[in-house]
Amino acid sequence: NAGVTQTPKFRVLKTGQSMTLLCAQDMNHEYMYWYRQDPGMGLRLIHYSVGEGTTAKGEVPDGYNVSRLKKQNFLLGLESAAPSQTSVYFCASRPIDRVANTGELFFGEGSRLTVL
Amino acid sequence: GEDVEQSLFLSVREGDSSVINCTYTDSSSTYLYWYKQEPGAGLQLLTYIFSNMDMKQDQRLTVLLNKKDKHLSLRIADTQTGDSAIYFCAEMAGNNRLAFGKGNQVVVIP
Repeated sequence: NAGVTQTPKFRVLKTGQSMTLLCAQDMNHEYMYWYRQDPGMGLRLIHYSVGEGTTAKGEVPDGYNVSRLKKQNFLLGLESAAPSQTSVYFCASRPIDRVANTGELFFGEGSRLTVL
Repeated sequence: GEDVEQSLFLSVREGDSSVINCTYTDSSSTYLYWYKQEPGAGLQLLTYIFSNMDMKQDQRLTVLLNKKDKHLSLRIADTQTGDSAIYFCAEMAGNNRLAFGKGNQVVVIP
């Protein structure tokens, strides 16, 4: 049971380049999230999804797009990378537990992105 | 909207107790959480408390919740070197989203 897997783990981009981060979870979770973590800023929600085929904006969605074509995958795209998008990106997922939904998130190990 | 505030840094000697504090703004939060992030890793749920509780104890961890002041604290008894990490408090905001604080780095001195 791999849990939440993010690829790639490290990437260096030049300004204006595009890339996609892939998040895959094997726990059959309905909800998936993309956060970015910056020093002194904590975790900020970029986009999230409450089910296959649905996405929604979080706190800091500008410059990012997402897709959830399959339940197990949540993709985060940067169409034209900017230095301000240098960050560590975390994907997370959680199930719908209608009996005892404590809301626990399961996190990937992070993807460190540097934009020069 | 939700906003979660934490102080940033705490150093503590091994064997002492650590206390980390957090304030939140959304009084309708059902659950409040403490997550732990070890170096180079993602966050892991450490403990949580239901909003109708004042206190929760789990081995070396004690969570206190003051709903009137919207204040959450985490006490770690007998702090060990493995407790060195960043600790985040979080609240369940609307639309099934977790809002995190900025994190509190705890450094345990042997």
